Amino acid sequence: RKEVEQDPGPFNVPEGATVAFNCTYSNSASQSFFWYRQDCRKEPKLLMSVYSSGNEDGRFTAQLNRASQYISLLIRDSKLSDSATYLCVVNPPGANNLFFGTGTRLTVIP
Amino acid sequence: NAGVTQTPKFQVLKTGQSMTLQCAQDMNHEYMSWYRQDPGMGLRLIHYSVGAGITDQGEVPNGYNVSRSTTEDFPLRLLSAAPSQTSVYFCASSYLNLAGALGTQYFGPGTRLTVL
Repeated sequence: RKEVEQDPGPFNVPEGATVAFNCTYSNSASQSFFWYRQDCRKEPKLLMSVYSSGNEDGRFTAQLNRASQYISLLIRDSKLSDSATYLCVVNPPGANNLFFGTGTRLTVIP
Repeated sequence: NAGVTQTPKFQVLKTGQSMTLQCAQDMNHEYMSWYRQDPGMGLRLIHYSVGAGITDQGEVPNGYNVSRSTTEDFPLRLLSAAPSQTSVYFCASSYLNLAGALGTQYFGPGTRLTVL
């Protein structure tokens, strides 16, 4: 079983829509979770960390559900500039590396 | 503050050739790593290092060597290039907190490698 699994999409949504991505992880003892954003032909960049109580950064909300072992990313009021691939990332305990999901592609349509 | 830099940006090799992908960071990060990214596969860890003089294998280390003689530099060597190594290669660095957990990973711009 993969450490991290994501729905690859693509998600095509109109401007102003709300869209949510989920990601599941296999190691129940994992403590660190992140969402990264990757634009076409560019390097991944940190979008936000995911905290146990959930956290918000402007239009972006990240949540963690430990019981079901998934993390989510909610984007409200989608902008054209949100078009990108969103990578779910997990750091299992005792692992000196991060595990990346394959990414979910989002296209926001005018 | 340049962050993480990688050279070259593009490279074409013939099967059997060797080459070194360069990576440097100026943030004094202890942790550095190399990933390859292939369509539908996501980012896969090749090798990583938690400090100068210390390296370890990741998920897909075969065909690659690394060394970490300084904190700043972490070159990746392809010993004998094969078409299966055609990919985009990203170097990344991060700090390690007191508990040894990884902080935010900062990525270089990537090297697009084609092996014919």
